[in-house]
Amino acid sequence: GEDVEQSLFLSVREGDSSVINCTYTDSSSTYLYWYKQEPGAGLQLLTYIFSNMDMKQDQRLTVLLNKKDKHLSLRIADTQTGDSAIYFCAETNGLMNRDDKIIFGKGTRLHILP
Amino acid sequence: DVKVTQSSRYLVKRTGEKVFLECVQDMDHENMFWYRQDPGLGLRLIYFSYDVKMKEKGDIPEGYSVSREKKERFSLILESASTNQTSMYLCASKGSGANVLTFGAGSRLTVL
Repeated sequence: GEDVEQSLFLSVREGDSSVINCTYTDSSSTYLYWYKQEPGAGLQLLTYIFSNMDMKQDQRLTVLLNKKDKHLSLRIADTQTGDSAIYFCAETNGLMNRDDKIIFGKGTRLHILP
Repeated sequence: DVKVTQSSRYLVKRTGEKVFLECVQDMDHENMFWYRQDPGLGLRLIYFSYDVKMKEKGDIPEGYSVSREKKERFSLILESASTNQTSMYLCASKGSGANVLTFGAGSRLTVL
């Protein structure tokens, strides 16, 4: 079945850029998401990208999609202590029908070094 | 601001007890979901509902049931809690025309 893979941990110094990578197997993916989970909280949608886009930028966040390699990345510029969280990559080919599913990766825990 | 509210943030129960986890959304969403989150396993779908009184099994429904008597409320029930059900439970919802899930803050359940 479909799968989403991401590394479990990433450590970055405050002020540096963080790059969190994700690969997925579903070639019919239409929507790809990044969710953020702060300690003790639920998942918060950070951003999402359509499969016909290569890049999406929103303030400090840049999402890059390589559809050929089925690779998605999230770059956080000027990483701050408030960025410390677990970041989940997810994909779906749509959520319009009852049987449609969103597949989540296991999450990457971002640790900020002072 | 759209909201999914899980009434219990932290619960401690004993093995064999019946447990109710409540989730309420104020966005008039048709679809609601229950996931559990465990370290190293990510999110796993337990049950979902696409309409009042309708329910569908997810990937790990064993040991759980759900109730959707009203559109805004989706309850997860553990008939007889076991220690392997100690976990973080996340509720989510989405509208029928949307492709984005909105999550609640989570309910952390510990079964002793």
